[in-house]
Amino acid sequence: DAGVTQSPTHLIKTRGQQVTLRCSPKSGHDTVSWYQQALGQGPQFIFQYYEEEERQRGNFPDRFSGHQFPNYSSELNVNALLLGDSALYLCASSPGGRRLNQPQHFGDGTRLSIL
Amino acid sequence: QQPVQSPQAVILREGEDAVINCSSSKALYSVHWYRQKHGEAPVFLMILLKGGEQKGHEKISASFNEKKQQSSLYLTASQLSYSGTYFCGTGRGNNAGNNRKLIWGLGTSLAVNP
Repeated sequence: DAGVTQSPTHLIKTRGQQVTLRCSPKSGHDTVSWYQQALGQGPQFIFQYYEEEERQRGNFPDRFSGHQFPNYSSELNVNALLLGDSALYLCASSPGGRRLNQPQHFGDGTRLSIL
Repeated sequence: QQPVQSPQAVILREGEDAVINCSSSKALYSVHWYRQKHGEAPVFLMILLKGGEQKGHEKISASFNEKKQQSSLYLTASQLSYSGTYFCGTGRGNNAGNNRKLIWGLGTSLAVNP
């Protein structure tokens, strides 16, 4: 039973570029959340997708956008990259989209470095 | 709004106990605990809901005190495998939106030495 998978594992971009990160949720999970984790910090909630719609968003600018596909996989897009966007981006999936307080299963993350 | 975790770091010898606290200035509805080892994904430990319940998982247990707006994670007879950074994520209110948007603390680094 595959867990949450993210790709790529590492990425190097320059300021102003755009990036797309991908996530496949754990089998049986229909809800995907994205987090940004800077070095030495806790995860910061970006947004959550369920039924192909963004249903909750954290304090991130519109440069951060996402998408969820019918197979529940998800993408995180970041435009006009800034140096401060350098971080580990984590994807977490959970079951039962309308139920609250479900355990989240995290992927190993994508390490994004902006030069 | 970010919960405050204390202590920031703990060093233990194998077999010793530790307590990690997570405090919020806002009323809490749920507290989620995760452990993250260096270079790995966070791993779910437990969720506590409003009602002051206490949960346990082998030698790791936690409590939730509504009045104090605080949760504590208890690690007893620590093992080498307990090493890592412990994060609490807090959900506010019974509103679905607030509970989906977990606010995470900065983490407590725990090192267990032989």
